[in-house]
Amino acid sequence: EPEVTQTPSHQVTQMGQEVILRCVPISNHLYFYWYRQILGQKVEFLVSFYNNEISEKSEIFDDQFSVERPDGSNFTLKIRSTKLEDSAMYFCAARKVGTSTDTQYFGPGTRLTVL
Amino acid sequence: AQSVAQPEDQVNVAEGNPLTVKCTYSVSGNPYLFWYVQYPNRGLQFLLKYITGDNLVKGSYGFEAEFNKSQTSFHLKKPSALVSDSALYFCAVKDSGGYNKLIFGAGTRLAVHP
Repeated sequence: EPEVTQTPSHQVTQMGQEVILRCVPISNHLYFYWYRQILGQKVEFLVSFYNNEISEKSEIFDDQFSVERPDGSNFTLKIRSTKLEDSAMYFCAARKVGTSTDTQYFGPGTRLTVL
Repeated sequence: AQSVAQPEDQVNVAEGNPLTVKCTYSVSGNPYLFWYVQYPNRGLQFLLKYITGDNLVKGSYGFEAEFNKSQTSFHLKKPSALVSDSALYFCAVKDSGGYNKLIFGAGTRLAVHP
């Protein structure tokens, strides 16, 4: 299975601080996604990103969140001022830009803990 | 709106017995369905998907899933369970109205006992 990598594996931060979660997608998989999973709950879509633009975002993805692909390889999710309820597992996913039914491959996740 | 339901929080199976993890869906248009598995402290691993064609889809690690349009179901199956299959299983459907985001079920924890 193609491999998406994410760093860090675990991030602990104080409420109100900014965090940046990083993802290195698979080469030639140019459609990117962020999902999150609050402990014990289902996996929820946050945002999709293609060609340096947000394609779609959920209502969770408010002004505190942003995404970018700063250097053509990393794909980042920034939370400007973290809240307690942002504590979750954040997954990056990537798929080929081919048919819409291509598989999304997920990274191992970053566990974000906001204190 | 598209949705996925996994009616069982947990499924318990003895090693060597067949297993089934249930999933039902609600979509407008053709359903594109996926199963992912999550091992402890790991990400989501793709198991299999149904796009079109044969209703029985074969995937990784000996898993298969049966698509049933009339029952709007996509149950995951394996003929003989292994202890190492114990994990959290997620059914997902591709959102037909958006940019292909996945909509996940709540997950089913599979426990295979020796």
